[in-house]
Amino acid sequence: EAGVAQSPRYKIIEKRQSVAFWCNPISGHATLYWYQQILGQGPKLLIQFQNNGVVDDSQLPKDRFSAERLKGVDSTLKIQPAKLEDSAVYLCASSLEWRSSGNTIYFGEGSWLTVV
Amino acid sequence: AQKITQTQPGMFVQEKEAVTLDCTYDTSDPSYGLFWYKQPSSGEMIFLIYQGSYDQQNATEGRYSLNFQKARKSANLVISASQLGDSAMYFCAMREVSGNTGKLIFGQGTTLQVKP
Repeated sequence: EAGVAQSPRYKIIEKRQSVAFWCNPISGHATLYWYQQILGQGPKLLIQFQNNGVVDDSQLPKDRFSAERLKGVDSTLKIQPAKLEDSAVYLCASSLEWRSSGNTIYFGEGSWLTVV
Repeated sequence: AQKITQTQPGMFVQEKEAVTLDCTYDTSDPSYGLFWYKQPSSGEMIFLIYQGSYDQQNATEGRYSLNFQKARKSANLVISASQLGDSAMYFCAMREVSGNTGKLIFGQGTTLQVKP
């Protein structure tokens, strides 16, 4: 079974530029998550989708971050314009669905962003 | 509010010995799940073990076991017979689903170094 796929793996951009990250979840997983992990900290949820609907985007900085999951499968996270403090690893994850506490959330390898 | 606490920023263990990584949590939800993830330097978040709040027995997965003490709200990870490849960051996480979005809340992590 293929895992969660993410690209690009690494990205370096200048502040005020834009960047987009792509994620393809595990086949059949209805719930998709984007987490931000700053170096030395635990991941923080940015946005959660159930199929193509948003379940939670309370911690997404909506003035600069946007995300979509148009067909309920793969997803794109965009940052525009980027700030220095956006330097982090962006982790995409998926699970069968969110209503069962036992459904494991599986993560991709992450997209490392450096803003200079 | 959900909270996960990992009080050990860093731990050392000798190869082939056992090590316990501490995790305490705080929740008012009777239904929740507790997870441990391993994050090597490559960045991927690897699922290790899961414990449900209603599970009567402690979870085990190979060399990993979870010491679940519900009354104390602790969920410590025990790694037996440590190997050099166990050197990584370890995160404890909790998931509530009652009236919630089922997102994972992570602790700050513990860095484990296995010495030869």
